[in-house]
Amino acid sequence: DAKTTQPNSMESNEEEPVHLPCNHSTISGTDYIHWYRQLPSQGPEYVIHGLTSNVNNRMASLAIAEDRKSSTLILHRATLRDAAVYYCILTDQTGANNLFFGTGTRLTVIP
Amino acid sequence: EAQVTQNPRYLITVTGKKLTVTCSQNMNHEYMSWYRQDPGLGLRQIYYSMNVEVTDKGDVPEGYKVSRKEKRNFPLILESPSPNQTSLYFCASKVRGATNYGYTFGSGTRLTVV
Repeated sequence: DAKTTQPNSMESNEEEPVHLPCNHSTISGTDYIHWYRQLPSQGPEYVIHGLTSNVNNRMASLAIAEDRKSSTLILHRATLRDAAVYYCILTDQTGANNLFFGTGTRLTVIP
Repeated sequence: EAQVTQNPRYLITVTGKKLTVTCSQNMNHEYMSWYRQDPGLGLRQIYYSMNVEVTDKGDVPEGYKVSRKEKRNFPLILESPSPNQTSLYFCASKVRGATNYGYTFGSGTRLTVV
């Protein structure tokens, strides 16, 4: 299974944009890029996913490199509630295979 | 409210005493899955189910059983719990199809086996 590489931790000031990077250099042509986050003492929460084109939803934006070897999750205005561990995960076409969470990026939001 | 409900939230038990952690979803999802989360190891899949009466092993199935007799329920059974099964467990569900949203996770069950 193709794996992803993320920084262990990042910090952001409150109300500023955050760009969380993810490298997936061995991604296959049919792999989808999913992002989940896990807030303290909660289960993981789906954030966004995409295949080739950039995606936007109410929570975040996903920017996918043209060669698909990397992607960036963008939180437009970080709030204290966004402090969490963010996971970048590759999935097959069904999105239902084993989600390999890895260690993710721990985002700290500074008031 | 659309959700995945796990019970109990916390459980302390003794080695060898059979237990069941229940998981129920109200979204008519086909896919359901169990994960365990351990410090330094992240989340690892135990078992998953693609639909009623269809289950398969994940990465760490040893010591666990599951069943999927109804679409909404996916219980996790520990026939003879051991201390190495002390962990935080999450149930998750997802609707079939690649273009739909991702998994919805429950709030977790913290299990301690002494």
